[in-house]
Amino acid sequence: GAGVSQSPSNKVTEKGKDVELRCDPISGHTALYWYRQSLGQGLEFLIYFQGNSAPDKSGLPSDRFSAERTGGSVSTLTIQRTQQEDSAVYLCASSEPGEQPQHFGDGTRLSIL
Amino acid sequence: GESVGLHLPTLSVQEGDNSIINCAYSNSASDYFIWYKQESGKGPQFIIDIRSNMDKRQGQRVTVLLNKTVKHLSLQIAATQPGDSAVYFCADPMDTGRRALTFGSGTRLQVQP
Repeated sequence: GAGVSQSPSNKVTEKGKDVELRCDPISGHTALYWYRQSLGQGLEFLIYFQGNSAPDKSGLPSDRFSAERTGGSVSTLTIQRTQQEDSAVYLCASSEPGEQPQHFGDGTRLSIL
Repeated sequence: GESVGLHLPTLSVQEGDNSIINCAYSNSASDYFIWYKQESGKGPQFIIDIRSNMDKRQGQRVTVLLNKTVKHLSLQIAATQPGDSAVYFCADPMDTGRRALTFGSGTRLQVQP
């Protein structure tokens, strides 16, 4: 079956621009996570959505980062006024409610010039 | 602080040999662990998981061992193949409602022909 789908797979933009990253989770998965992975590093939790509950935004590094999840399915991560330190791979994962394991997409590789 | 980490950054093995990748954890309350494999340019791929009420679990060519006494787990790969070359992460869902994953920095497995 279809896995977690992320788009774009690569994004290059200039410092100061806004970017939107999209995640389409596995059908039926109500839990959705965004993570960031810097070169050669582990994962950094960003934000968590569970059904219609208020998202857990405790991992967002600054107020330039925001995320939405519409209709309990597709999610968009927005980074405003991008900085060079935002360059990383942004990974999305989904799982069944309260269950593990999480299943990951292949990520969006974001490069800020 | 609590952490999940891996002992070696790189492990090189000959094709056909068995591989053992180790991981230490510090949170004695951790009750569930997951191993992921990440190939270059891809997202983490679920391999196998284990709950704390078990000390061993086997999959196809992989075995995970859990030693709760010393807070250590290992991933054993039998008859390692070139396709096993990747970075391997052990992950520990954070002991909070969101169950976000914490990853160590990973171990890079290199399979020599």
